[in-house]
Amino acid sequence: DAGITQSPRHKVTETGTPVTLRCHQTENHRYMYWYRQDPGHGLRLIHYSYGVKDTDKGEVSDGYSVSRSKTEDFLLTLESATSSQTSVYFCAIKAGTGRDNEQFFGPGTRLTVL
Amino acid sequence: GQNIDQPTEMTATEGAIVQINCTYQTSGFNGLFWYQQHAGEAPTFLSYNVLDGLEEKGRFSSFLSRSKGYSYLLLKELQMKDSASYLCAVSPRDDKIIFGKGTRLHILP
Repeated sequence: DAGITQSPRHKVTETGTPVTLRCHQTENHRYMYWYRQDPGHGLRLIHYSYGVKDTDKGEVSDGYSVSRSKTEDFLLTLESATSSQTSVYFCAIKAGTGRDNEQFFGPGTRLTVL
Repeated sequence: GQNIDQPTEMTATEGAIVQINCTYQTSGFNGLFWYQQHAGEAPTFLSYNVLDGLEEKGRFSSFLSRSKGYSYLLLKELQMKDSASYLCAVSPRDDKIIFGKGTRLHILP
C-alpha cells in the first residue's frame, strides 16, 4: 500500500451544503491530486498540489476548491454541492519524475448529492 | 489539446491473449502509463513506458511508439481475475497525468 487514505469513504448530502473531503498520505510525497470518476468520462483532474500551499487547477475545477497546509493532507471542498457533483472522488499521490512518475491512488470517496 | 483514445469494451476468452490499444495526442510527452481498475476499486499501476519498445512484466507487456502516438497493453494467459477496466494515461509534463476513459475487459470462461 502507498500509505494513502481518504475520508469519508461514503457521504450523502443535500444540494447547497458545503462538503469537505480529506486525503491523507504517510509517504511525504510532493504531488497530490484530486480526480473525479464518472461513467463515460473516466478519471478527470479537479485540482492538484505540487507542495504546501502550492495548488493548481485541473480540467474540471469549477465548483471546487482545495487547500494544502501540510505535506500529508490535501483537502477538497465543494462550497455548495450540486447534483452534478455526485461522483466517486479519488485522491492520488506521486513521488517525483521519471520512473517515480507513477501515481498511487487512495480507495476513493463515493459522494451522493440529493 | 490533449486526447487519449482507447476502445470502450473488449471481450476475450480465458487462457487467450488480448491486446488493448491506446492512441494519444498531447502537448508534451513524459511517459505513458497503464492502470488496472476492478469494479468499485481504485486504479492500480501496471506499467510505465517512456522509450519506444516493449516492456514485459510477467503476463502483461506494454508497447510504445512515440512517433505514432501509440501504445498497447498485451495480456497473456488470461484469467477470470483479469476482468477489469484498463486505463491508458499520458504524462504531458512532470506534474500531470491525463487519463483515457478506459477499456472494460470481459473474460469469458
